[in-house]
Amino acid sequence: KAGVTQTPRYLIKTRGQQVTLSCSPISGHRSVSWYQQTPGQGLQFLFEYFSETQRNKGNFPGRFSGRQFSNSRSEMNVSTLELGDSALYLCASSRNRDRGGTGELFFGEGSRLTVL
Amino acid sequence: GQNIDQPTEMTATEGAIVQINCTYQTSGFNGLFWYQQHAGEAPTFLSYNVLDGLEEKGRFSSFLSRSKGYSYLLLKELQMKDSASYLCAVPRTGGFKTIFGAGTRLFVKA
Repeated sequence: KAGVTQTPRYLIKTRGQQVTLSCSPISGHRSVSWYQQTPGQGLQFLFEYFSETQRNKGNFPGRFSGRQFSNSRSEMNVSTLELGDSALYLCASSRNRDRGGTGELFFGEGSRLTVL
Repeated sequence: GQNIDQPTEMTATEGAIVQINCTYQTSGFNGLFWYQQHAGEAPTFLSYNVLDGLEEKGRFSSFLSRSKGYSYLLLKELQMKDSASYLCAVPRTGGFKTIFGAGTRLFVKA
């Protein structure tokens, strides 16, 4: 069973640009969550999607957005990049609780974004 | 509340036992997870507790007390490869939003 796949793995952008990150969940997993990880802040919740609907959003500015497609693949977008957006962005999928899941998160390797 | 507290760093010796504590606040409880994250890698699942008591899985055990908002991860027979960050995590709002503690960096020395 293939794991969670994130692309691209590494990218460098400049301030003011925008970036789109992609995540393909484990087959059969319909819930996709996104996290930002920085050395000082740890794992910060961005948002969670299920069946193309955002069910929950973290405390991030509107520059951070996401969406989920009918095949459960998800993308997140950051517009007007700032230096502080440099981080590892992790995507995680999980099996829904009503399908016997516990909420265990399966993480991708992450997309490491550097903003110059 | 959304607080999850765990020590920032711990150091232990190869072969020893170490206990990593986690305290949390929540208005609704959907279980507690522990994840392991090696430097430069993604977090991976270690354990899940939803009922009070101890769950044992090989060298790793996890304990939960819901009334105290407290959990610990116990690592026995420490190996160098156990040097990693250990993340305590609690699902919120029906389980749709998992909040992580800042993590405990464990250093295992020879």
